[in-house]
Amino acid sequence: DAKTTQPPSMDCAEGRAANLPCNHSTISGNEYVYWYRQIHSQGPQYIIHGLKNNETNEMASLIITEDRKSSTLILPHATLRDTAVYYCIVRVAGSQGAQKLVFGQGTRLTINP
Amino acid sequence: KAGVTQTPRYLIKTRGQQVTLSCSPISGHRSVSWYQQTPGQGLQFLFEYFSETQRNKGNFPGRFSGRQFSNSRSEMNVSTLELGDSALYLCASSPMLDRNYGYTFGSGTRLTVV
Repeated sequence: DAKTTQPPSMDCAEGRAANLPCNHSTISGNEYVYWYRQIHSQGPQYIIHGLKNNETNEMASLIITEDRKSSTLILPHATLRDTAVYYCIVRVAGSQGAQKLVFGQGTRLTINP
Repeated sequence: KAGVTQTPRYLIKTRGQQVTLSCSPISGHRSVSWYQQTPGQGLQFLFEYFSETQRNKGNFPGRFSGRQFSNSRSEMNVSTLELGDSALYLCASSPMLDRNYGYTFGSGTRLTVV
């Protein structure tokens, strides 16, 4: 299974952009990169996903390198409520068309006032 | 639109017992996956169901099983509980098996085995 590597923790000042890196050097050509976050052991919350192109939604932007071996999640104006564990995940194809999310250890992002 | 509903939220069981957890997906979602989260191992994939068929299975012993009903609701069962089965069990639903669809997670069932 394609694995991801993330820094265990990061800090960011409130109001600044938070840039969370992820390495997925073994990703296959048809595997998507997903980002989720988890707050206080609630269920993970979907943020964004992409295959090759950069993506943006109301929550964040996702920048994927041309060789697809790494990506960066950008939270443009971080708030205290963005403090969470952020998971960079590769959606791996299984048999019979099934999928699974392969979670790493994630990055604990702390937004400081 | 209601989210993914998991019941019960908390459960305490004794070693050797069995337990059944329930998950109701978002209306219209046909894929249901289960994950186990522990402090030591993180989030690990258990299995995925689609159209009442198990499509994918993680590396867990046979004591862990599941099923999906015709209305897409899913249950997972753990038999002969061990202390190490104490974890947050998360259910996630998706409209289809396509990689371009995200999963929506429920709040989980926290199981404590004593």
